[in-house]
Amino acid sequence: SAVISQKPSRDICQRGTSLTIQCQVDSQVTMMFWYRQQPGQSLTLIATANQGSEATYESGFVIDKFPISRPNLTFSTLTVSNMSPEDSSIYLCSVEGQGVTREQYFGPGTRLTVT
Amino acid sequence: RKEVEQDPGPFNVPEGATVAFNCTYSNSASQSFFWYRQDCRKEPKLLMSVYSSGNEDGRFTAQLNRASQYISLLIRDSKLSDSATYLCVVKPGGKLIFGQGTELSVKP
Repeated sequence: SAVISQKPSRDICQRGTSLTIQCQVDSQVTMMFWYRQQPGQSLTLIATANQGSEATYESGFVIDKFPISRPNLTFSTLTVSNMSPEDSSIYLCSVEGQGVTREQYFGPGTRLTVT
Repeated sequence: RKEVEQDPGPFNVPEGATVAFNCTYSNSASQSFFWYRQDCRKEPKLLMSVYSSGNEDGRFTAQLNRASQYISLLIRDSKLSDSATYLCVVKPGGKLIFGQGTELSVKP
């Protein structure tokens, strides 16, 4: 499976500010995904990041709040804009594996606390 | 109704016990199924994909019943290191849908 790294691993931010999270993969991948895991909850897909085109957002998530970049096949960023305490979550990126079931592998996550 | 539902847990079992987790899903068009394991404050890690014929990996056995839209995971001879949250994951189309997870605690 691919090796995925994320930066920062954690941050504490003030409300109203923005944070950009980076996701780096050690091999070229077509699709990258961004998830959110709120405290005590399971994972929810925010968007799919496609290289060379705009990200595809899930219901309840919008580009103005969570802008995504995908400049090449090994890198993506997710920005959490105008943060509020409700944005306190773990944000994870993932990529698809090469297996027939197209399983996904996750980065270590970014733990965000908004005060 | 949630798209993927799991036993709420937590499951507290002694070492060596056999434990079974159940999961149901609502989207009959789902094509791929997985069990992930998530340790506290860590990312989910793929435990195993689930195939229609059922599959086994060491102490772990996964089964799928498409007619009933039901997935199961059996862990035999539980180890302390099996303590984690087990996530049932379904893939209808391109994205993963996660269940809420079932917490397992294996005690000495």
